[in-house]
Amino acid sequence: QKEVEQNSGPLSVPEGAIASLNCTYSDRGSQSFFWYRQYSGKSPELIMSIYSNGDKEDGRFTAQLNKASQYVSLLIRDSQPSDSATYLCAVKRGGADGLTFGKGTHLIIQP
Amino acid sequence: EPEVTQTPSHQVTQMGQEVILRCVPISNHLYFYWYRQILGQKVEFLVSFYNNEISEKSEIFDDQFSVERPDGSNFTLKIRSTKLEDSAMYFCASSPGGGNYEQYFGPGTRLTVT
Repeated sequence: QKEVEQNSGPLSVPEGAIASLNCTYSDRGSQSFFWYRQYSGKSPELIMSIYSNGDKEDGRFTAQLNKASQYVSLLIRDSQPSDSATYLCAVKRGGADGLTFGKGTHLIIQP
Repeated sequence: EPEVTQTPSHQVTQMGQEVILRCVPISNHLYFYWYRQILGQKVEFLVSFYNNEISEKSEIFDDQFSVERPDGSNFTLKIRSTKLEDSAMYFCASSPGGGNYEQYFGPGTRLTVT
């Protein structure tokens, strides 16, 4: 059974601070890792993908992957109120395999 | 910027009726997916489609479900005889392939079964 675990939150962070979101996964065959943002009533929006151990930065976002620990994280620097949303961690094996999602972490950025 | 589109945005149907949900994936993408999200729950994978056939399907995707790519642009999900528990948001997604596994989601179809 493939599982992706996330703390459901809410995680409350002051505006301008760093938000740190974490995720663990059970399937050691997972090869690709993604962070999506989902606003209430909307579809998941891709933020970051990461395939190799280490850090990957894109603007205010940094994804971190540790395959040995089966752990993925997302850092959001200079958090803005518009970053308030549910953040979904998703993993997959290769090729045409579907994504396995976590339940998401609800992030609130306090102005 | 290209995007996945889905129609209708909201579908209301009676239990036992057939519904077809439609999607137009991003042009030139090779992999197509359907997911569902029951209200308040996580996004769940249903099926993936590549090279005109199903590549992978989940336990949810039973004989009541089918997918088709009837032409070069549309990708459909059919539910043969809807149940109350099929009420959910259904998302279509597509992925470029060629080593790029990023999946881009459409806006979804809200299915309400009464």
